[in-house]
Parts: sequence; structure tokens; C-alpha cells
Amino acid sequence: DIQMTQSPSTLSASVGDRVTITCRASQSISSWLAWYQQKPGKAPKVLIYKASSLESGVPSRFSGSGSGTEFTLTISSLQPDDFATYYCQQYNSYWTFGQGTKVEIK
Amino acid sequence: EVQLVESGGGLVQPGGSLRLSCAASGFSFSTYWMHWVRQAPGKGLAWVSRINSDGSSTHYADSVRGRFTISRDNAKNTLYLQVNSVRAEDTAVYYCAREVRGTYYFDCWGQGTLVTVSS
Repeated sequence: DIQMTQSPSTLSASVGDRVTITCRASQSISSWLAWYQQKPGKAPKVLIYKASSLESGVPSRFSGSGSGTEFTLTISSLQPDDFATYYCQQYNSYWTFGQGTKVEIK
Repeated sequence: EVQLVESGGGLVQPGGSLRLSCAASGFSFSTYWMHWVRQAPGKGLAWVSRINSDGSSTHYADSVRGRFTISRDNAKNTLYLQVNSVRAEDTAVYYCAREVRGTYYFDCWGQGTLVTVSS
């Protein structure tokens, strides 16, 4: 099974900050990676697919990069609506999620 | 509007059974692969099962294989998850999710239904 490890687990930031979350795969997954945002009590929402493609309707301040085993999600200027938990997901071999990164207000 | 609405969750005793449903609307349900994903209280997301568009192919996570069964009724635009021999660790919110055709990630999720396993 492919394991996904996110870092950090929690991130404290302020509005306007540039935020970067890292996701590492236990083996190469090419670019078969998605990023999701989840707010408390709500379903996840896809932000990025195929490592760097922005889902339709998602603000351009979100971007993704990486391939192989190391990936990043970057929020260029954190907005109040962005405080949430973020998950990476590999879909190279079945489907596995990272453990999540909570972005909280500093 | 694309919509997925889960139902069927509730309190079940260890060893018991439950059938979860996911009603789809606003899109051509019969042409999409569908998934179940669960989230234990305060924990992360965990993929559970996948079914292809006509129901002829299914896959399961190791943790549920042999106990859970995914199925669908395309005439009713409904996805199901039969949950048998439940354990305390099956307690979670269960989400159905739509897989984007040809890409394998999930672009639409339901609001979830809570399954609580307790005596």
C-alpha cells in the first residue's frame, strides 16, 4: 500500500501569509495526486488534481507542484475562508489520503 | 445541480449490519464510477470502496474487505454500502463521492451519514 505523509500536522498563520503544505508518498505516484480542503462538519472539496491542475472554480491563490514522491500545496495569500484542514490524496494505486494539515489562525 | 445525498446511518451494535444509501441527482449517474470514503470522529479521511459505472467491478480497502459490499442501482440513481459484522472502529461519517471520468480523483461529495457502533 502507498502511504501518504503530510507536514506539518498543524500550521498557524495570519491572513495574507504565504502557506506551504508538504505531502510525501512512500513510493512514486507520478503526478497522480489531489488536494482537498475540508471545513468542520462539511464534506471535502477538491482544490488541485494531477498534482498541479487547478479545479474549476477554485481561487488562483491555490497552487500545487511536485511529482514522484514529493508534493506541495501553496496558498499565496491566506484568506479568512482558507482556515480549514487540507488533505492530499494519491490515486496512482487505489486511493490513500494523507493524515491532514490543519491551518489555524495565528 | 450535481448532488449526492447519503442516508441510512445510525447506531448499530457490534456485529450488526446496516445499509447506507447515496442518492444522486443532477448528472448522468450511470456513467460515473463511485466511491465510499469514511472519516472517524476527529480523524482523517479513509477510502473504503469503489464501484465502476455498471457495477461489474468493485474494490475494497483491506480493513473492510469481506464485511462491506458496495453496489448500485442505476435505474434508481442510487449507490449503496452494505455494512456487516461492524466493529467499534467502523464508527465514522461515511461519504459517497463521484470519481471524475478518466482521472480517478473525486470532484463531488455528499454531506455524509454517521454510523456509530456501540452496545
